[in-house]
Amino acid sequence: DVKVTQSSRYLVKRTGEKVFLECVQDMDHENMFWYRQDPGLGLRLIYFSYDVKMKEKGDIPEGYSVSREKKERFSLILESASTSQTSMYLCASISSGGAETQYFGPGTRLLVL
Amino acid sequence: GQQLNQSPQSMFIQEGEDVSMNCTSSSIFNTWLWYKQDPGEGPVLLIALYKAGELTSNGRLTAQFGITRKDSFLNISASIPSDVGIYFCAGTSRAGTASKLTFGTGTRLQVTL
Repeated sequence: DVKVTQSSRYLVKRTGEKVFLECVQDMDHENMFWYRQDPGLGLRLIYFSYDVKMKEKGDIPEGYSVSREKKERFSLILESASTSQTSMYLCASISSGGAETQYFGPGTRLLVL
Repeated sequence: GQQLNQSPQSMFIQEGEDVSMNCTSSSIFNTWLWYKQDPGEGPVLLIALYKAGELTSNGRLTAQFGITRKDSFLNISASIPSDVGIYFCAGTSRAGTASKLTFGTGTRLQVTL
């Protein structure tokens, strides 16, 4: 069964802290994505990666960075967390050769105080 | 970044009623997908549509890929309480070698007994 896991379901951080959100998939997928979800705005793409050490900016990359050192792991980094980054963060992965469907992790709800 | 126009934003219906929601875009997409998100979880794929004009069913769910490739709709027949959640449409496009999804803003469905 397809599986995407995220390191934390809930996180509380203070303004200015460095925050790491981890995502791991066990499907050997090439492509991985980070989204944030906010009420009324749907899912917005932050960054994606189509191979190890490769990354591309999505629609809202400001204030975020990513790391893909291994195929199965894609990390989202908030260098200096701000209250505007309080949100639900969702990781997803997809195989480049298959049907164009993405599998999502359960999400990390981040609160920045 | 581009977003899809999804309507309605929310729906309150009675158990047993049929539900209809749709998505429109100014751009053409190669694939249309419909996801459902339960509270506190990541989105789960319901239906994938790959060809313009395609009509696909999954149990009580039916979705269609518009002829112009710029729209899609999802119908749920005879709704039940477990249909509660947020429904997202998404369209896929290529970004280099990766598939990229653009999401609608979501339709929140509430079902009353």
